[in-house]
Amino acid sequence: AQSVSQHNHHVILSEAASLELGCNYSYGGTVNLFWYVQYPGQHLQLLLKYFSGDPLVKGIKGFEAEFIKSKFSFNLRKPSVQWSDTAEYFCAVTEGGSSASKIIFGSGTRLSIRP
Amino acid sequence: EAGVAQSPRYKIIEKRQSVAFWCNPISGHATLYWYQQILGQGPKLLIQFQNNGVVDDSQLPKDRFSAERLKGVDSTLKIQPAKLEDSAVYLCASSLDWGNMDEQYFGPGTRLTVT
Repeated sequence: AQSVSQHNHHVILSEAASLELGCNYSYGGTVNLFWYVQYPGQHLQLLLKYFSGDPLVKGIKGFEAEFIKSKFSFNLRKPSVQWSDTAEYFCAVTEGGSSASKIIFGSGTRLSIRP
Repeated sequence: EAGVAQSPRYKIIEKRQSVAFWCNPISGHATLYWYQQILGQGPKLLIQFQNNGVVDDSQLPKDRFSAERLKGVDSTLKIQPAKLEDSAVYLCASSLDWGNMDEQYFGPGTRLTVT
């Protein structure tokens, strides 16, 4: 069965620091990968997604993620965080090319930014 | 564009009682999802509808949980009888189509507390 691991449960950074949140998945075939974000008091929303092509994906608000197939990873990065990036971040995966594949979410990483 | 609507936002019940949650997806979205999110975990898919048909309910505890989407629009999720371990946020999401590459739009969730 597929699984998604987010090893950092809570990350605390100062403004302007660089961010990298880890995401690893277990599935040997083609995958579709997502990062969702939940800001305090708001709904879960899509940050970025990877289906195929360039493994470096750019999303909203300056975020990007890199798909490294050999490492089964899809880490989220941002060069300089802002206080408004405080949120919970979820990595998710579906099987590529399969319309019947359900989405599997990781347990989430809570990001706190010190002003 | 109106988002995914859910009600109620909060519910407190005693164990062995029953409870129902309602979801109205974004207009025109064929696929509707119900998730359970236990504190400290990522969302777990309970059931996925394509129009009024069930696509996946493999993780739905069918002895106590039921869901329907009779007219292919809004949906109801019911728990009867509730257990303490059902305390969680129940999220509804919708997507335009049922492909696993489609972005899901989430509602605000219903926070259920079972005492």
